[in-house]
Amino acid sequence: AQKITQTQPGMFVQEKEAVTLDCTYDTSDQSYGLFWYKQPSSGEMIFLIYQGSYDEQNATEGRYSLNFQKARKSANLVISASQLGDSAMYFCAIETTDSWGKLQFGAGTQVVVTP
Amino acid sequence: DTGVSQNPRHKITKRGQNVTFRCDPISEHNRLYWYRQTLGQGPEFLTYFQNEAQLEKSRLLSDRFSAERPKGSFSTLEIQRTEQGDSAMYLCASSQNRGQDGELFFGEGSRLTVL
Repeated sequence: AQKITQTQPGMFVQEKEAVTLDCTYDTSDQSYGLFWYKQPSSGEMIFLIYQGSYDEQNATEGRYSLNFQKARKSANLVISASQLGDSAMYFCAIETTDSWGKLQFGAGTQVVVTP
Repeated sequence: DTGVSQNPRHKITKRGQNVTFRCDPISEHNRLYWYRQTLGQGPEFLTYFQNEAQLEKSRLLSDRFSAERPKGSFSTLEIQRTEQGDSAMYLCASSQNRGQDGELFFGEGSRLTVL
């Protein structure tokens, strides 16, 4: 079984600053994928970034980057130059070889960006 | 709009009534997933389809829950004899065949309130 832990229930960040959201995971599988999704108040889950367990480089997508430390089983999301529209819940999720598409999500981190 | 569409967006019902939610996936996607999200938690996988075949339903929460995808296009999720504990957001997602770098596209969800 897989498990995702997000220890930060909520964070405040000032506009234009960077913020790091923590995510640790537990799996015995060697092949797995890690996802970050954003969920604004409208409810839709918006895909942000993906990291495969065999990817040697940290994933980046625009202002989002993933600090992947495989040995520590952590996959922290870094949002650079925060914008007011970044205020949302952020979820880390994992899927493994025998569970493709069946993501196991963490409890999420609420981010509030202030002017 | 070519995204994943769910309706109704909100449903309020009395305990004991049956409810049905519909999901229209992105048209070329052959995989369709249902998740449930309760307040303060990340989404929880329920079931998924590849085309019209339901490949896993063991995570459906009880025998009151059932899902169909009769023609491999839209899907319905039915909850019979609703209970107050069924109050949650029901999310649908779709994808192409899953590979390690695939992505799930989520709809905006159907929020159920059972009185």
